[in-house]
This record gives sequence, C-alpha cells and structure tokens, in this order.
Amino acid sequence: GEEVAQTPKHLVRGEGQKAKLYCAPIKGHSYVFWYQQVLKNEFKFLISFQNENVFDETGMPKERFSAKCLPNSPCSLEIQATKLEDSAVYFCASSQPGQESYEQYFGPGTRLTVT
Amino acid sequence: AQSVTQLGSHVSVSEGALVLLRCNYSSSVPPYLFWYVQYPNQGLQLLLKYTSAATLVKGINGFEAEFKKSETSFHLTKPSAHMSDAAEYFCAVNTGRRALTFGSGTRLQVQP
Repeated sequence: GEEVAQTPKHLVRGEGQKAKLYCAPIKGHSYVFWYQQVLKNEFKFLISFQNENVFDETGMPKERFSAKCLPNSPCSLEIQATKLEDSAVYFCASSQPGQESYEQYFGPGTRLTVT
Repeated sequence: AQSVTQLGSHVSVSEGALVLLRCNYSSSVPPYLFWYVQYPNQGLQLLLKYTSAATLVKGINGFEAEFKKSETSFHLTKPSAHMSDAAEYFCAVNTGRRALTFGSGTRLQVQP
C-alpha cells in the first residue's frame, strides 16, 4: 500500500495481559521502525528491522517486549505481561532503501491503554 | 551520538503572523534533519527534510527551514500562520538508516 497501516487503532489490556500490535509498511520499503510515544511528546525508539532481520534493538525492553517482521506478513510488536507504564501510543514507520535521507513515513499509531 | 533541542514547548501566534519554531541539534557526523507535524490523535506527517543538497529547504503547507551549521540550527518558519497550522511540531535527526531522535515537540497555537 501507499501508507503505513497499523492495527488495531485502540487496544485496552488489563495489567499482566498480553498485547500485540501490527504494522504493514509501505510496499517496497524494507526498513521498519517502532517508536513509543508517551505523554504526547516524548518519542522513544524501540526496534528497527531491515526486511525480516533485526537492524537495531537498542531501545527494546527485552524482558517483556518482542517484535518480528516475517515475509508476506505484517510486522508485529508484542508485549507480554503489560504494565501500567506501557500505556502509550505505538507508532510504526517505514523507509525505502536508496533514499539519501532515509526519511521515515509513519502510520497512524496504536493507542495502548493498560488498566 | 545525536540529540535535538526544541526551544519553547508552546508557541502562540495570531493568524497571518510569522511562525518561527526553533530547533537545535547535536550530531557527531553530518546529520539529516526533519520536521514533522502531528495533528491531534494522528500520526506524524513529514513537513520537510534537510539532506545537504540545499541549506534552505521548502516543505509542504508553506513551511520552510534553514540549515545553519555554524549555529547547529534548523528552525522552521512560515510567513503567515493559518488556523489549520495549529498542531504539535517535532524536529528530528538521524544519520542514515538509524532511528530518528526527536525533540520534545512544540505546540503551535494560532489565535484568530
């Protein structure tokens, strides 16, 4: 597609439950990034992929967070045993190889509320 | 390492007035710089980008930004504000395929 698609738009989980978020990058884009936005202004980088391979996972809280990008499937971000502090908007972005600036195109986000 | 500082978390202008949103960056290598806009409950939309081709960059919706290496700045301007410009604006930096590093954002209010 021509836009980054993210599902679901909203997700509510009780503390301790699992949450799974999905992202379909723009067709032809081989880089996928996940960001967490808290308090409406702070963006935290979580993980990036080059095709199905992890490119950079320096921002990933590895104890409870995991992510995958498998061929012919949407990318996913999974949070095991959610905590209240995981409440945030999670954005996915994709970029196209060969672009000088590697500009990233963002999806509409998934708002996760942990109660 | 790279970082972005946006001076002023809130900026208020009158409709028709000049918009100036400030961004200073720090990067150990030549940076790529971006301005994104976020409307309420929406994702980020790319306004413009600096890639070293030209120091004055024009973007969408009448916005432009000037890269000043000596001042490590990339301020965003628009000659005449419109009500529809009210949103949150983020300056960001990266150095290639790496993740973006964002500033803390500036909320622009446009008064009638």
